[in-house]
Amino acid sequence: DAGITQSPRHKVTETGTPVTLRCHQTENHRYMYWYRQDPGHGLRLIHYSYGVKDTDKGEVSDGYSVSRSKTEDFLLTLESATSSQTSVYFCASATSSNPTDTQYFGPGTRLTVL
Amino acid sequence: GDSVTQMEGPVTLSEEAFLTINCTYTATGYPSLFWYVQYPGEGLQLLLKATKADDKGSNKGFEATYRKETTSFHLEKGSVQVSDSAVYFCALSDRNDMRFGAGTRLTVKP
Repeated sequence: DAGITQSPRHKVTETGTPVTLRCHQTENHRYMYWYRQDPGHGLRLIHYSYGVKDTDKGEVSDGYSVSRSKTEDFLLTLESATSSQTSVYFCASATSSNPTDTQYFGPGTRLTVL
Repeated sequence: GDSVTQMEGPVTLSEEAFLTINCTYTATGYPSLFWYVQYPGEGLQLLLKATKADDKGSNKGFEATYRKETTSFHLEKGSVQVSDSAVYFCALSDRNDMRFGAGTRLTVKP
């Protein structure tokens, strides 16, 4: 399995505060992804990156921004957290965008916005 | 756009029972299809995949066949174990767009 870690694993914050989640991979994968997992919705793509400083929006990108300054790190930022952003966030990585390629997932970050 | 619909459950079975979790998809292109499994407190792990029509993916006794004519990718296992208790996600991938079903929680009782 790909070595993907996420930090923090759990976070509780208040509405209106900024929050940054970190994803770190050791596989030198070019592609990285941020998803959120909510009951009844499965996983939905927030943003993805196809290289250092190259990112694009996913299905549910409003209220989120990302940055990728190094191949191994992909940051997700909530500029001003809202209660609707309470969720479990998963990072994933893959070698390419080829549909046959597997995405490898991190352990997740549980975020609660009060 | 592309989408995946899967049986939501929850599903509760006795050990050694036969398992089927239904998954159907809509796609405009030629996606790859995946089953991922999520154990409690963990991230998603690839269970199996199929990349073209009529391919069969298999792993750990689980199987699924990519059926283009019925746009389905049903997950089956002949004899489930307590250790198979988890949430199962069907997914399709077409370039940078991976779409997941809502997940099916499986509980296997001894």
